[in-house]
Amino acid sequence: GDSVTQMEGPVTLSEEAFLTINCTYTATGYPSLFWYVQYPGEGLQLLLKATKADDKGSNKGFEATYRKETTSFHLEKGSVQVSDSAVYFCALLDTGGFKTIFGAGTRLFVKA
Amino acid sequence: DAGVTQSPTHLIKTRGQQVTLRCSPKSGHDTVSWYQQALGQGPQFIFQYYEEEERQRGNFPDRFSGHQFPNYSSELNVNALLLGDSALYLCASSLAGTGNYGYTFGSGTRLTVV
Repeated sequence: GDSVTQMEGPVTLSEEAFLTINCTYTATGYPSLFWYVQYPGEGLQLLLKATKADDKGSNKGFEATYRKETTSFHLEKGSVQVSDSAVYFCALLDTGGFKTIFGAGTRLFVKA
Repeated sequence: DAGVTQSPTHLIKTRGQQVTLRCSPKSGHDTVSWYQQALGQGPQFIFQYYEEEERQRGNFPDRFSGHQFPNYSSELNVNALLLGDSALYLCASSLAGTGNYGYTFGSGTRLTVV
């Protein structure tokens, strides 16, 4: 079945450092891909999305490109802030279109 | 614009009891999905409701059931609670046919089974 694998955390960075969180997926067809973020004690917020190959999703300085050849959707940000500390989930919408499948999450800590 | 509202925020139940969790979708949304998020893990799909019918179900036992009302709000019921049911339960909503643009999630109900 469909699945998502993302790099294990925690990831600890200093403020203004470059961030990459790796995500790869296994799916039938070409699913929509997402990054969600979860701040402490809260639910998930949609960070960005890409619905087809070569699409680049972006929001709040974060970017991810849908790579069909490598079945990847890596999250990047050029300069992280302390306020970016959270858990980041890579996800895909399964081919049925109803179920979102999530990775295990990557916790990011940003130090001042 | 109210987002997804879930109640209660926290709940403590005893093993073997039954629990009902509630969700009001974002204004304009008609589809509700429920997810279970165990500590330190990603959310797992329980089921989705649309037009008051269960449209798809994940790998959860029949102890987990749901309902959607005409105003699109939804309930998740769990019977015969087990310690392993302790988790954050998340409700997500969307407008039918737009799931490929992502879902709006509520803040969740933290269920503790003792």
